[in-house]
Formats: sequence, C-alpha cells, structure tokens
Amino acid sequence: DTEVTQTPKHLVMGMTNKKSLKCEQHMGHRAMYWYKQKAKKPPELMFVYSYEKLSINESVPSRFSPECPNSSLLNLHLHALQPEDSALYLCASSQEPSPSKNIQYFGAGTRLSVL
Amino acid sequence: SQQGEEDPQALSIQEGENATMNCSYKTSINNLQWYRQNSGRGLVHLILIRSNEREKHSGRLRVTLDTSKKSSSLLITASRAADTASYFCATDAGGYQKVTFGTGTKLQVIP
Repeated sequence: DTEVTQTPKHLVMGMTNKKSLKCEQHMGHRAMYWYKQKAKKPPELMFVYSYEKLSINESVPSRFSPECPNSSLLNLHLHALQPEDSALYLCASSQEPSPSKNIQYFGAGTRLSVL
Repeated sequence: SQQGEEDPQALSIQEGENATMNCSYKTSINNLQWYRQNSGRGLVHLILIRSNEREKHSGRLRVTLDTSKKSSSLLITASRAADTASYFCATDAGGYQKVTFGTGTKLQVIP
C-alpha cells in the first residue's frame, strides 16, 4: 500500500470557522509533511514531522496548527483563516527524513477555499 | 532562496515527440528528484538521481545531473497525451529533512 489518504477533498470555510484536515498513511513512514500550493506555483513546505515530533515549522502563522497523533496520522487544524490561505494543501510522507530516504509520497490534496 | 529554477515554464509538443525540461539549483545537494503533477492533484515521484550519478533511466524517462553546473534535465521520449502534466524538480539543498521544489514546467502533449 503506497497510498496517502487526505480528507476532505474539498473544504469551504468562513474566516471564523475551525476545521481540520486529515492525512493518513500505512507505509510505516516516519516522516510526514504538510505543503501549501497556490495555483501555478510549486508546493511550499509548511511543517515536517519526524518520528511523530515536529521538527520543522517554516514560519507558518499560528492559525495553522499541526498535530501528529500517531505514526500513521497527521492533522492540520485551521482557525481564523484569511482568504489568502485558499490553496491546495498537500500531505506527504517519506520513509525517513534523510537524504537517502526522502522520496515523498503525496496525497491527492485538500482544496481549501476561505470566504 | 533554495528553490530550483526550471525552464521552460511551459512546453507544448505533438504526441510522439521528445520533451526536455531543465532544472537549475543553487547549492550542493545529496540527490535530485523529479515529480509529476496532474492538474490539481498530488505529486507523483518519477525518479531520483544521486549526486554521484550522471545519468539515470526509467522507462521512457532519462535524467541527467551535472553537479558542476548545478543543473539537471529530464527527457521524456516518445511522449503521449497522458504525459500532459506539470513536472517539478526537487532537491534537498535546503537541509536534510526538507525537499524543496523547483518552479515547474507545464507540459502539454497534443494528440
């Protein structure tokens, strides 16, 4: 099973809402990632979890809050977002967060619209 | 920025032709990867080439790496309409836990 599953596929939320994005993998990968991708741009790294601990936060605003409940699950909690946060949010995993084992497996993404 | 630059930004070819995309990066790397993204979907890993390798093949894909010029190329031979997608190079130049994506090349293969 080389699948990374993201839910929901689409999400529309108001600026005062609280919502969560979910990501799941069963490949035994020990590194998980959140990326944000705007239209016609490359994915931009937001967070890296290494062995279930947050290891990289790319200066992401606090209205985005990641959580890794266990080695298979990754959540992104959203609160008080802005319209400019509308984007495709991608989750990925890799065997390990090291140069020799960082081939990334991506989910299909959550298309987020903030009204 | 650690981000790689790719050219061309967009490429349109006829089915059966070859497509070549180029990627340049700024700092030393351990490896370079190529990914493909169909419109609005997740990325799919295509191939990884290590810094001590110069060329690698996978099916209709051929990747070259020139570390002295800090550049890589992806060649897709005998293109098909199904190859229509955006292609990104990615390096670990930003740190061992990070993969940083290039700006991407949007390929259109016309049947």
